[in-house]
Amino acid sequence: EMNLVESGGGLVQPRRSLRLSCSVSGFTFGDYAMSWFRQAPGQGLQWVALITNRAYGATTQYAASVRGRFTISRDDSRSIVYLQMSSLKTEDTAVYFCSRAVSEYGDSWYFDLWGRGALVTVTS
Amino acid sequence: SYDVTQPPSVSVSPGQTASITCSGDNLGDKFVAWYQQKPGQSPVLVIYKDNKRPSGIPERFSGSNSGNTATLTISETQPVDEAEFYCQAWDSSIVILGGGTKLTVL
Repeated sequence: EMNLVESGGGLVQPRRSLRLSCSVSGFTFGDYAMSWFRQAPGQGLQWVALITNRAYGATTQYAASVRGRFTISRDDSRSIVYLQMSSLKTEDTAVYFCSRAVSEYGDSWYFDLWGRGALVTVTS
Repeated sequence: SYDVTQPPSVSVSPGQTASITCSGDNLGDKFVAWYQQKPGQSPVLVIYKDNKRPSGIPERFSGSNSGNTATLTISETQPVDEAEFYCQAWDSSIVILGGGTKLTVL
């Protein structure tokens, strides 16, 4: 069974850092790009970041709202994708979902598997 | 930056057909995916590449995309289909998400 499990969420003060992890099982992690989304309480889905797989150079893309503060990375040997979040703001409070990204040619990505999410609360 | 627009809400009676639109400049030139999200749950992919249905998604879910509008159509809508639906595209190396449409089955 294919599974994505997020961890590392919790309570954090503004301007501090936090790292989320997403452990993957049930498919060959290295064959896929991975992405992070978030959803603030009562709000819609927001894309955060994407990292391609090694075949596409493990390149990264970020939403404008997190670029320069968040870093997505992956450890193919452990089947984990990370989201390092720095200089956190109260508006970063959300449930963070990791997802598997699919594309035929390295663009026009869509997301076919999702984790259950991890809550990050940024508050003083 | 590229934006797509969805209606905030759509209502449909059980057994009828629901249509949820997603509008953007020349959206028909891009591939569109649709996700269903029920309260407290993760999103589920229901349509990808405009009109492809993942395994396990009922045949009553279909999609189209032409001109400036992509449409998710749910035929013979059931109460279990009540959820928030999001359209998604890709533009200039960025994931574009619609604001979501609340589908009410009543």
